[in-house]
Amino acid sequence: QKEVEQDPGPLSVPEGAIVSLNCTYSNSAFQYFMWYRQYSRKGPELLMYTYSSGNKEDGRFTAQVDKSSKYISLFIRDSQPSDSATYLCAFGSSNTGKLIFGQGTTLQVKP
Amino acid sequence: DGGITQSPKYLFRKEGQNVTLSCEQNLNHDAMYWYRQDPGQGLRLIYYSQIVNDFQKGDIAEGYSVSREKKESFPLTVTSAQKNPTAFYLCASSSRTGSFLYEQYFGPGTRLTVT
Repeated sequence: QKEVEQDPGPLSVPEGAIVSLNCTYSNSAFQYFMWYRQYSRKGPELLMYTYSSGNKEDGRFTAQVDKSSKYISLFIRDSQPSDSATYLCAFGSSNTGKLIFGQGTTLQVKP
Repeated sequence: DGGITQSPKYLFRKEGQNVTLSCEQNLNHDAMYWYRQDPGQGLRLIYYSQIVNDFQKGDIAEGYSVSREKKESFPLTVTSAQKNPTAFYLCASSSRTGSFLYEQYFGPGTRLTVT
């Protein structure tokens, strides 16, 4: 079993749709949960991060962590064509100082 | 402006040659990282350094070497021993303070092609 699983997509939605991106993980030691956005041929950009179970909201983006199910999600409301990118989940545990990344989900928002 | 710079953006080399990728940051971050990204894959950690003059191997260090002589700089050398060097290379940095260690900020990347 991989430590982190993320559906690579691609995921195609119409503009204005609500998007749900998900990752599952197997390592109970993960305490830090990050979402990165990566545009084509660019470096990843830290989008959201959280260190606890529950929801964290930032504008149109909501990050959700369910530690009991080992499942994290990123929701994008009112999706825009500019949201078209690859979204990477990443996890960290306090005893390593390293991040483990998911494969990334490619999202296309069609006008 | 604070940030991370990587140069060059594109790099072409012949097989059997060593090549060094540059990474510089002016964020005053102690920790720096090198990742490799292949098409359709996530990021894999090559090397990381949490303090000057110290660095650790990541998950795929074979065929790579690094140095950390200055806080701002963390160059990566791709040696001829690396079997599949063609990839997109990303440098990142973070603060060492508590949970900020995990908030990594990335440079724009260097796309290396070896033929």
